[in-house]
Amino acid sequence: AQSVTQLGSHVSVSEGALVLLRCNYSSSVPPYLFWYVQYPNQGLQLLLKYTSAATLVKGINGFEAEFKKSETSFHLTKPSAHMSDAAEYFCAVSEGYGNKLVFGAGTILRVKS
Amino acid sequence: DAGVIQSPRHEVTEMGQEVTLRCKPISGHNSLFWYRQTMMRGLELLIYFNNNVPIDDSGMPEDRFSAKMPNASFSTLKIQPSEPRDSAVYFCASSIGQGAHNEQFFGPGTRLTVL
Repeated sequence: AQSVTQLGSHVSVSEGALVLLRCNYSSSVPPYLFWYVQYPNQGLQLLLKYTSAATLVKGINGFEAEFKKSETSFHLTKPSAHMSDAAEYFCAVSEGYGNKLVFGAGTILRVKS
Repeated sequence: DAGVIQSPRHEVTEMGQEVTLRCKPISGHNSLFWYRQTMMRGLELLIYFNNNVPIDDSGMPEDRFSAKMPNASFSTLKIQPSEPRDSAVYFCASSIGQGAHNEQFFGPGTRLTVL
């Protein structure tokens, strides 16, 4: 069965600092991996997705993630945090037919000025 | 493009009452998903449809919950009778096809409070 673990329910960084949000997955088949962002009182929005085309995936708003099969990881990074990045971030995995998503518990990112 | 539309955005009801949540997927999308988000359990998939047919309802918590999709542009999630533990944000999402790589587009959610 597929599952996702997000390390750290809360991450705090200073504006301009590196953002690193961790995600590890478990899947019995090559997975499809997603990062979604949720701003307060809004639905989820796709940041980026891994579909086996390239291990380094670039997304919107300057975010990127690297798929590492040996580490079963798909960490999300951004070189320089902006105040507008403050939100909750969810890693999700999908496998096989029928795109059911299994979400991690989420990481709340706080950006300090 | 209007995106996924959900109504109502907020619902407050009393225990025992029937609650109906509504969703209009993005035009042309043929897969529809209902999720529930709570602090304790995070985001959970309740049920999903493909071409208006329920494919997997294993996440529906119990018989008090039911979902329908009478046509490609409308779905409902009903709770009868409602209980305080049903209080959560309910999201509807839609996507094109059933491929595991397909992006799901989420609506703004319905915040349900059962007193």
